[in-house]
Amino acid sequence: DTAVSQTPKYLVTQMGNDKSIKCEQNLGHDTMYWYKQDSKKFLKIMFSYNNKELIINETVPNRFSPKSPDKAHLNLHINSLELGDSAVYFCASSQSPRDTQYFGPGTRLTVL
Amino acid sequence: AQSVTQPDIHITVSEGASLELRCNYSYGATPYLFWYVQSPGQGLQLLLKYFSGDTLVQGIKGFEAEFKRSQSSFNLRKPSVHWSDAAEYFCAVGPTTSGTYKYIFGTGTRLKVLA
Repeated sequence: DTAVSQTPKYLVTQMGNDKSIKCEQNLGHDTMYWYKQDSKKFLKIMFSYNNKELIINETVPNRFSPKSPDKAHLNLHINSLELGDSAVYFCASSQSPRDTQYFGPGTRLTVL
Repeated sequence: AQSVTQPDIHITVSEGASLELRCNYSYGATPYLFWYVQSPGQGLQLLLKYFSGDTLVQGIKGFEAEFKRSQSSFNLRKPSVHWSDAAEYFCAVGPTTSGTYKYIFGTGTRLKVLA
């Protein structure tokens, strides 16, 4: 009965590789988000989709590309991974863009 | 610019003692206000939120927070801390009825509880 789930939980990869992180929510929410939490625990929004439409697109490298195949899924694809991409990535969802956000367990990405 | 400040990076309290975590915000209007808790290796769990109405908000796990407009603050309190409360606590402001959709998070306060 997990509300917001992410896979994988851990991801270790080499520089230059391409990887994807998947997120699914079973709350029936319309809005989903990707956040990056750095080593100092600072949490910053990256992207948000509402009804599969991109509504927040922060200043992130264009190596990062979100994809929302349907309202329940928001995946994050990262090309040409760099050392600085190492972080914990959180997915979240909310009923609408101005509602309370509920977070997934996070994906710890380590780039070697 | 919109911002959230959590002045205390670390706080240590003894089990059974009272707790207050500070949060100040800078926002164009009264925002929606949230407190989340992150246990080690876990995601963020919502403790409580303020949208409007009564300025004293009750949350889960015995936490409460008080919104003070004059001080632009939304401090989190608990009368008696349990060892399981050791975690990272984040204050956040969220969008109201207009403007940006973004949540802005504070930098977090790490709580350590002494037995």
